[in-house]
Amino acid sequence: QVHLQESGPRLVKPSETLSLTCTVSNGSINSYSWNWVRQTPGKGLEWIGYIYYSGSTNYNPSLMSRVSMSVDTSNNHFSLDVSSVTAGDTAVYFCARGSYFYPSGAYSPDGPAYYLFDYWGQGTLVTVSS
Amino acid sequence: DIQMTQSPSSLSASVGDRVTITCRASQSISDYVNWYQQKVGKAPKLLIYAASNLQSGVPSRFSGSGSGTHFTLSISGLQPEDFATYYCQQSYSTLWTFGQGTKVEIK
Repeated sequence: QVHLQESGPRLVKPSETLSLTCTVSNGSINSYSWNWVRQTPGKGLEWIGYIYYSGSTNYNPSLMSRVSMSVDTSNNHFSLDVSSVTAGDTAVYFCARGSYFYPSGAYSPDGPAYYLFDYWGQGTLVTVSS
Repeated sequence: DIQMTQSPSSLSASVGDRVTITCRASQSISDYVNWYQQKVGKAPKLLIYAASNLQSGVPSRFSGSGSGTHFTLSISGLQPEDFATYYCQQSYSTLWTFGQGTKVEIK
């Protein structure tokens, strides 16, 4: 069973950078994409972005100007930075593995590919406050 | 962005009931919908992917259906451990988005 665990500071000051790491165990970080999702009472679940094991990224346009992700395949972890944080960035942050389901059983350039989040970390509450 | 709207926002049901939750997409998304269950203080758990495929290890009382803009998650024979919040999520656009959640409470 793949296990994901978030780590990082729980309290960040406004205007500073929020930094989190997700460590993957019982599985390789290779061949998958690795996501960050956050949850607030007001906005619900919000996808932040993903990074492939190769290092390519895709970010939510609403956060793109402040978000950066990196991956360390040697140590099986990936990281999130959110710069210039405000109280609005206070949330529970989850890391999650992204996988594809191919109905045909394998990738096909002309076939459907369904993306899903199949493993999640337990989540960590990050509070932005002075 | 593709908006996902769930209804109802909450419902009360009894053990053994059949429960249906609806999710509507703001545009046609074929069958690119996943469903998750979240219990208080826990991470979401994948239940259904590609609208109707049951994730490994998930009880068969859970089922999903729909295509286009209208999707449903059904639970037949509600169990005590099913009281939780359920979310739909679209994977049609690479800007993944979630519904606002449906809380299933004990009547």
